Amino acid sequence: GAVVSQHPSRVICKSGTSVKIECRSLDFQATTMFWYRQFPKQSLMLMATSNEGSKATYEQGVEKDKFLINHASLTLSTLTVTSAHPEDSSFYICSASVAGGSHGTGELFFGEGSRLTVL
Amino acid sequence: RKEVEQDPGPFNVPEGATVAFNCTYSNSASQSFFWYRQDCRKEPKLLMSVYSSGNEDGRFTAQLNRASQYISLLIRDSKLSDSATYLCVVVGGGSYIPTFGRGTSLIVHP
Repeated sequence: GAVVSQHPSRVICKSGTSVKIECRSLDFQATTMFWYRQFPKQSLMLMATSNEGSKATYEQGVEKDKFLINHASLTLSTLTVTSAHPEDSSFYICSASVAGGSHGTGELFFGEGSRLTVL
Repeated sequence: RKEVEQDPGPFNVPEGATVAFNCTYSNSASQSFFWYRQDCRKEPKLLMSVYSSGNEDGRFTAQLNRASQYISLLIRDSKLSDSATYLCVVVGGGSYIPTFGRGTSLIVHP
């Protein structure tokens, strides 16, 4: 099946620093990538939808200037958490949607996730 | 009303038991439905798609009820390794963006 690689898997940083998370589709071209955030015991919350070569579409309540998304190629999307604060500590997961996949519309392939801890 | 709702559980069952989860969705135009499994501190992984006619994969059976707008997942002969959170995912209805339920926690004990 399709493989999505996400890096880093774990990051601890000081408050005020910026953290970049990379998401790569290894064996397919991902025209659309989704970035989710998951707090403990809660569901995955969509942050933004990223389309290659265009600006990301952010969900309501997600600050685009704080969570910078770049989808410069069909195999790489990045999420940068700028000036991170403790409340940004969470599990961030990317996923790529494969149109017309074996399971039809909407099958998702997930990165391994990045656990961010801001001290 | 949330778009996709699940009972968070936990469902605590003994090995060998049969357990069923439901997931309701609010958008009647939704088109695609999936069950994902998420282990603690890991990414979600596709368990199975849900087809209109229902589908079965080993001990797992998924069904869709469009009239009542819910999907279900039945697990027979539960194994310890089935312990996880099961996420319901709905796509369509004017959007290609997948919407996740909160997840249902299953704990299978010896």
